[in-house]
Amino acid sequence: DGGITQSPKYLFRKEGQNVTLSCEQNLNHDAMYWYRQDPGQGLRLIYYSQIVNDFQKGDIAEGYSVSREKKESFPLTVTSAQKNPTAFYLCASSLRESSYNEQFFGPGTRLTVL
Amino acid sequence: GQSLEQPSEVTAVEGAIVQINCTYQTSGFYGLSWYQQHDGGAPTFLSYNALDGLEETGRFSSFLSRSDSYGYLLLQELQMKDSASYFCAVRDRSGGYNKLIFGAGTRLAVHP
Repeated sequence: DGGITQSPKYLFRKEGQNVTLSCEQNLNHDAMYWYRQDPGQGLRLIYYSQIVNDFQKGDIAEGYSVSREKKESFPLTVTSAQKNPTAFYLCASSLRESSYNEQFFGPGTRLTVL
Repeated sequence: GQSLEQPSEVTAVEGAIVQINCTYQTSGFYGLSWYQQHDGGAPTFLSYNALDGLEETGRFSSFLSRSDSYGYLLLQELQMKDSASYFCAVRDRSGGYNKLIFGAGTRLAVHP
């Protein structure tokens, strides 16, 4: 089955620690995205990548970093510089030029920083 | 820049019809999309409008008026499982990159 996987579903970390969230897709999509969602809020774009070895900052990139070494993988690192990292993180992918603005989302990772 | 506005909450009863509105401001328009998200779940694509008019997919329909920068999602024969958040989104192609800008979402509560 094709899809997007994110792991783990729940993640707990101590304040000041870096943490990396995994995102893998086997849909053969060129574009991948990371969003942050806070309770009762919409989706805010952190980083996105249209092709391998290239990525762009979204609206709230400060305190986050990404890499895109493989087409299928787009890991997100939440660094200690992120002041309020507790949130629900969603990864998505799409065709680079999706005719229907359709993005496919993973199940999300809920990060709690203690 | 791009921005979208939609109501924060809507309440309806089972079997009824509900309309969720979305107004947008964009520097270039490449279609309006709608996504559904149940609590704790992933957003899923519902519909897309690039041209004016109504697109129907089962109980859900989506409407677009480009001259008014306005669209809506219409849900008919509401069921309890339709209780979810609904997001409108527009494509942003500034800088040669392709990404979506999402509204803040409308939380729909369906009551018996």
